[in-house]
Amino acid sequence: KNEVEQSPQNLTAQEGEFITINCSYSVGISALHWLQQHPGGGIVSLFMLSSGKKKHGRLIATINIQEKHSSLHITASHPRDSAVYICAVSYIATGNQFYFGTGTSLTVIP
Amino acid sequence: NAGVTQTPKFRVLKTGQSMTLLCAQDMNHEYMYWYRQDPGMGLRLIHYSVGEGTTAKGEVPDGYNVSRLKKQNFLLGLESAAPSQTSVYFCASSGVGRGGRVREQFFGPGTRLTVL
Repeated sequence: KNEVEQSPQNLTAQEGEFITINCSYSVGISALHWLQQHPGGGIVSLFMLSSGKKKHGRLIATINIQEKHSSLHITASHPRDSAVYICAVSYIATGNQFYFGTGTSLTVIP
Repeated sequence: NAGVTQTPKFRVLKTGQSMTLLCAQDMNHEYMYWYRQDPGMGLRLIHYSVGEGTTAKGEVPDGYNVSRLKKQNFLLGLESAAPSQTSVYFCASSGVGRGGRVREQFFGPGTRLTVL
């Protein structure tokens, strides 16, 4: 089983701060995914990465395959970024199952 | 496109009752998944399907059955509900990219189930 660990578990930031959420995993993967779960419960996929870096608006995701580590960065954070951010990995050798971290709960204060 | 839909959104059952949760997707995705989400734990895979007529067990399959008779639908059944099955259930679907790797997942809105 691929273990996925996220840090920190909880994070409070002031509006405008630069935020970093970390994810590490234990076994070689096919891809790493960052998801966002809104307070209302809905889950959306933010990024899918197998190498390098991706950027979408104020969100940046990076992955280091050798170190089995990924980071999600939020620049110029805003209260609407408050959500739970979930790291997941998919692994083709296990039938493309996904393994999830427990999430990082982010609160951005105005 | 509706994306991924789930019915019902809420349900309360008594111990021993049965029910079926329906998931439907209109994106022609090959893969479909059923997860449960419990406080303090990550999403855990119950069962999944790699195509019409095929299903496979995930991490926590006991007490659940699934069927995928049509590509767009994935049903999750609880034959005899137990309080330990109180949870929020999410369905998701994915397409397949190059090399057989699954693409991003699209999630349904979730079903909140309480078993008394």
